[in-house]
Amino acid sequence: EIVLTQSPATLSLSPGERATLSCRASQSVSSFLAWYQQKPGQVPRLLIYDASNRATGIPARFSGSGSGTDFTLTISSLEPEDFAVYYCQHRINWPLTFGGGTRVEIK
Amino acid sequence: EVQFLESGGGLVQPGGSLRLSCAASGFTFSNYAMSWVRQAPGKGLEWVSAILDNGVGTTYAASAKDRFTISRDNSKNTLYLQMNSLRVEDTALYYCVKDMRNWYFDLWGRGTLVTVSS
Repeated sequence: EIVLTQSPATLSLSPGERATLSCRASQSVSSFLAWYQQKPGQVPRLLIYDASNRATGIPARFSGSGSGTDFTLTISSLEPEDFAVYYCQHRINWPLTFGGGTRVEIK
Repeated sequence: EVQFLESGGGLVQPGGSLRLSCAASGFTFSNYAMSWVRQAPGKGLEWVSAILDNGVGTTYAASAKDRFTISRDNSKNTLYLQMNSLRVEDTALYYCVKDMRNWYFDLWGRGTLVTVSS
């Protein structure tokens, strides 16, 4: 099973700041990695797939990069609605696994 | 509008069984693989099981294998999860999720809560 480790666990930032979230895989997942956003009381929302492709309707301030074992989700300028928990997920083999999440909170 | 109507959750004793259902609408259900993903209270996401669009191929997380069975009825646009030998650690919100054709999940139901407790 591929383990996805997200860091940091919590990121405290102010609106307008840049957020950089990391996801590291225990073995290569090529570019087969997605990012999801989950706000309190809401279901997860797909943001990025295949490491760098934005899902339908996702604002351009969200971008993904990386390949192999190291991936980054960047939010270029935090909006108030971006404070949430973010998860990565791979799809290279079974079982599919998610990272433990990074909480982006208001500083 | 795409909708998922999940049902079947509830309180069950350890060792008991539940059958979750997810009725889908707003898209051609039979064209897409589906999965169940769960989230324990205050915890992260865990993929549980997946089924191909035709219902023939299925796969499970180790935690679900030999206890859970995923199935679907494309004539009723409904996904199921039969859960047997339930454990306290199966307590979670179970989401019905649609595959985006590549094992990423683009649509999520609201979830049905399963609580396993004596």
